[in-house]
Amino acid sequence: AQSVTQLDSHVSVSEGTPVLLRCNYSSSYSPSLFWYVQHPNKGLQLLLKYTSAATLVKGINGFEAEFKKSETSFHLTKPSAHMSDAAEYFCVVTLRNRDDKIIFGKGTRLHILP
Amino acid sequence: DTAVSQTPKYLVTQMGNDKSIKCEQNLGHDTMYWYKQDSKKFLKIMFSYNNKELIINETVPNRFSPKSPDKAHLNLHINSLELGDSAVYFCASSLGLPGIDTQYFGPGTRLTVL
Repeated sequence: AQSVTQLDSHVSVSEGTPVLLRCNYSSSYSPSLFWYVQHPNKGLQLLLKYTSAATLVKGINGFEAEFKKSETSFHLTKPSAHMSDAAEYFCVVTLRNRDDKIIFGKGTRLHILP
Repeated sequence: DTAVSQTPKYLVTQMGNDKSIKCEQNLGHDTMYWYKQDSKKFLKIMFSYNNKELIINETVPNRFSPKSPDKAHLNLHINSLELGDSAVYFCASSLGLPGIDTQYFGPGTRLTVL
């Protein structure tokens, strides 16, 4: 069985400070991991993904994430938050060897304080 | 040009009615999806089609029936609508199977059942 846990439902940071959104997963097979962002009243957009290549993945808008198999984590980070980063963020796990499983985390709402 | 489009954007209807939501993608992708996002922003996959073949069929009421007339279209028909069906429904597409490929999301259809 597979699952994904986003440890924080809400995260608040000040503009210009680092962002950390946490994601842990469990998977019986080799996982692919994704981070998607959803701005208010919009669809989801891919930030970055891990599919078995480099464990440190760089995405759009300065975000990056590191796949740590030993910790079963795929935390999302950004060195300096911008007001436009305020959104809902979803961690997603899929199974590369079985294409019928897609599990979304419950989401983390990122608030940026001026 | 919109990559993944959905119609209608808003749908307000009475309990017991039957309604359809349409989705079209112009990306040349082989796989399409339907997701339901509830009021707490929780996203759950409902169905997925690859080359018009159903590959993901999660546990949803059989009042929900997807139809894929061709690779570029995936429609969702809902019979006997219930209050609990109120949600935002997102369509998405990906080049290949979900294990590796990025999903591109439509803007969503907000369904309100009165």
